[in-house]
Amino acid sequence: AQSVTQPDIHITVSEGASLELRCNYSYGATPYLFWYVQSPGQGLQLLLKYFSGDTLVQGIKGFEAEFKRSQSSFNLRKPSVHWSDAAEYFCAVGGGGADGLTFGKGTHLIIQP
Amino acid sequence: GAVVSQHPSWVICKSGTSVKIECRSLDFQATTMFWYRQFPKQSLMLMATSNEGSKATYEQGVEKDKFLINHASLTLSTLTVTSAHPEDSSFYICSALPDGGYTFGSGTRLTVV
Repeated sequence: AQSVTQPDIHITVSEGASLELRCNYSYGATPYLFWYVQSPGQGLQLLLKYFSGDTLVQGIKGFEAEFKRSQSSFNLRKPSVHWSDAAEYFCAVGGGGADGLTFGKGTHLIIQP
Repeated sequence: GAVVSQHPSWVICKSGTSVKIECRSLDFQATTMFWYRQFPKQSLMLMATSNEGSKATYEQGVEKDKFLINHASLTLSTLTVTSAHPEDSSFYICSALPDGGYTFGSGTRLTVV
């Protein structure tokens, strides 16, 4: 069965500092990987996705993620966070096609001034 | 980009009544839509996959008679929570799969009193 692990429930980062959110997945075939951000009471916004090709993926809002097959990881990074980045971040895996997504439990990002 | 519109954004209903949530693809056709549920401070869990013109596929543990899904057209899927009870209070989010990745609606906050 597929699964996603986000080991950090909460992360606190100072504004302007770099950020890395961890994501490990388990999937029986070639995974489609996603990072979403959710503000309180809101839906999900896609930050970036990986289907194939270049393992370093650029997304919106200055985020990037690197797919490492050997480590079953898809960590999200940002070189300099802004206060507006405070939100809940979800990593998800799917197979594309008619499959839904399996989400991690999320990482709550707190930005310190 | 592709937009999924979900209505209502919030609803309060009395215990024992039914509530219908709509999910529309605004600028693309969606033969498949997905319904997720998110309890407070938890991750999203796939409830069911909605297929245009055929029966929905429910995930294990989801009561199909309680959560009725109708995918009447290529742009509309509805989720009806029948005989709602307080434990059904949750955030329900739909998703569709336009080219390039999963797009989510803004979600519906259901409160059953």
